Amino acid sequence: NAGVMQNPRHLVRRRGQEARLRCSPMKGHSHVYWYRQLPEEGLKFMVYLQKENIIDESGMPKERFSAEFPKEGPSILRIQQVVRGDSAAYFCASSPTYSAGDGYTFGSGTRLTVV
Amino acid sequence: EDKVVQSPLSLVVHEGDTVTLNCSYEVTNFRSLLWYKQEKKAPTFLFMLTSSGIEKKSGRLSSILDKKELFSILNITATQTGDSAVYLCAVNRVGGSEKLVFGKGTKLTVNP
Repeated sequence: NAGVMQNPRHLVRRRGQEARLRCSPMKGHSHVYWYRQLPEEGLKFMVYLQKENIIDESGMPKERFSAEFPKEGPSILRIQQVVRGDSAAYFCASSPTYSAGDGYTFGSGTRLTVV
Repeated sequence: EDKVVQSPLSLVVHEGDTVTLNCSYEVTNFRSLLWYKQEKKAPTFLFMLTSSGIEKKSGRLSSILDKKELFSILNITATQTGDSAVYLCAVNRVGGSEKLVFGKGTKLTVNP
C-alpha cells in the first residue's frame, strides 16, 4: 500500500504561470482533502472532495484556485496565474469514508515556490 | 471563527527530559481534538480526543482533553532525539464537514 502520493514534491513556477498539483489517495479511499501550509503557519483547510464532487470548498480562494477529483485518476489542485504569495507547502490527505481526522492519511506534500 | 492556539511555539530540551505541549481552542459545536506529529514530510496521526478527562496513551506519549477549560496537553516523557518534530493540534466540529482547524504547531527539538 503506497500511501497517499503527491507529485511533484517540489514545483517552481514563475509569476503568472499555472501550477498543477496531483494527489493519488490511498487505495480504497474516496475522500480527499487539500490543505495549505504557509511558512511558520499551521495547515489551513482548502477543499474537501469525494469522487466527482466538491463537498466543501470554503477554504479555497475565490479566484485562480480550483480542484477536482475525477472518477478516474488523481485529484488535481490547480492554481492559475500564480503569485509570490502562493508559495507554500500543499498537503493532500485521504480517508476511506467520513473521517473526523483520525482516519486521515496525509501525503508528503508539494512545495510550491513562485519566483 | 474557530481558533486553535498552541504554546510554546518552540521548545528545546535534552534527551530524557519530559515535555508538555499545550493547545487551547475556541470552536462552535466541538466534536474532537487531534494531535499530529510532523517531521519533514507528512503529518502523522497521534491521538484523537473527544471526551474530557480520559487520557490517551501511546508509549511515552499521552494526551488529555479538558472540554470545560477548552484545552488539551500532550506529554512526552523520557524524550529522545527522534521526538524532534513539529507537533500540531487540530479541532473538528460537528457539522463542519471533514475539515480540521490547525494551530501553528510547537516545534520541539531534543538535543542529545
